[in-house]
Amino acid sequence: NAGVTQTPKFQVLKTGQSMTLQCAQDMNHNSMYWYRQDPGMGLRLIYYSASEGTTDKGEVPNGYNVSRLNKREFSLRLESAAPSQTSVYFCASSTANTEAFFGQGTRLTVV
Amino acid sequence: GESVGLHLPTLSVQEGDNSIINCAYSNSASDYFIWYKQESGKGPQFIIDIRSNMDKRQGQRVTVLLNKTVKHLSLQIAATQPGDSAVYFCAENNNFNKFYFGSGTKLNVKP
Repeated sequence: NAGVTQTPKFQVLKTGQSMTLQCAQDMNHNSMYWYRQDPGMGLRLIYYSASEGTTDKGEVPNGYNVSRLNKREFSLRLESAAPSQTSVYFCASSTANTEAFFGQGTRLTVV
Repeated sequence: GESVGLHLPTLSVQEGDNSIINCAYSNSASDYFIWYKQESGKGPQFIIDIRSNMDKRQGQRVTVLLNKTVKHLSLQIAATQPGDSAVYFCAENNNFNKFYFGSGTKLNVKP
């Protein structure tokens, strides 16, 4: 079982470039999440999707867009990357009111 | 927004001793709580959870205590081992199924 798979694992962008972080889960979970983690800090929720076709903003949604492509996949897009978006990004999934399972993260650097 | 905080950013314990990691939460509507362990370079891993209708739950070497009156959560690790060295996060979840995380406590286990 792969669980939650994120691609890419590492990425360097120049300021103003765009990119999409991919996430897929094979656990048939309804809910999916995108978090960012800055050094020495906890995880902050960027966007959340309760089910296919629905998305909702989290604590820090500015500068990001998401797409819940189908039940398995939930992508995060940076339209115009900024140095403040340098972070480690985690995707997670869960069923209703159970623990969330996390991917291994994408380490993004914006220069 | 949600607010989940931790009392101690770093905790050092001797191998074999018991560890206690604390967490305060602010949303009285939260009804589900999880402790995660995060090792360097990896995504958070589920340790143990507890629902608001309980005040104690035990797992293998771990116990979670929930005090709803003062909105406090703790994780107790018995006979702490070097492999327990990591950052520990508490997370809260409300009826909207969004997980909010604290800033984490780093546990150092001294041999």
